[in-house]
Amino acid sequence: EVQVVESGGGLAQPGGSLRLSCAASAFSLENAYMSWVRQAPGKGLEWLGRLTSKSAGRTTDYPPPVRGRFTISRDDSKNSLFLQMNSLRAEDTAVYYCTASYRAAGGFDIWGQGTMVTVSS
Amino acid sequence: DIVMTQTPLSSPVTLGQPASISCRSSQSLVHSDGNTYLSWLQQRPGQPPRLLIYQISNRFSGVPDRFSGSGAGTDFTLKISRVEAEDVGVYYCMQVTQFPYTVGQGTKLEIK
Repeated sequence: EVQVVESGGGLAQPGGSLRLSCAASAFSLENAYMSWVRQAPGKGLEWLGRLTSKSAGRTTDYPPPVRGRFTISRDDSKNSLFLQMNSLRAEDTAVYYCTASYRAAGGFDIWGQGTMVTVSS
Repeated sequence: DIVMTQTPLSSPVTLGQPASISCRSSQSLVHSDGNTYLSWLQQRPGQPPRLLIYQISNRFSGVPDRFSGSGAGTDFTLKISRVEAEDVGVYYCMQVTQFPYTVGQGTKLEIK
């Protein structure tokens, strides 16, 4: 069964950094368009950026609120995706989901359970 | 940015009755490749989102056929033909036609 599992969440200081990981199984991340999406407590979904497949050039795109602070990368040898988050703010507190568009063009068909990030002093 | 507006924000429905959720985008979602990248996600309480529909009307694998999507351009609809108890949750429309990808506010489906 295809799945992704996130890890690395926890408590971070304002201005600090955190690196989230997403391990994939039963499929190769390099063949999927991968994204990170977050959900603040009691709120909706917010897209944080994507990394295209190997065949599409491994390009990244980010929305303005996180551009320059968040970086998505991938280690194909470990079949893992990462989200490096710097200059964290209280408003970055959320559940962070790793998601893949793999079997449905334009649809995020694989979701992890999420990892909670709390930014507080 | 493309703004996705869902209506209603809350929808109390009787079991076995139909439900409908509307999603309107501030710009056309037709991509330069001719496809329209509008999808619907379901989030049950305490669960991650789950893909229901992609490219307006394609039901993802394993999704019951009581779920259907329709629309074009800037107006889209998710319909549930007969609501079941397991359908309770929040439904989101999402566009990946144009950066940044954006999501509707969510519609909470609850049983009367």
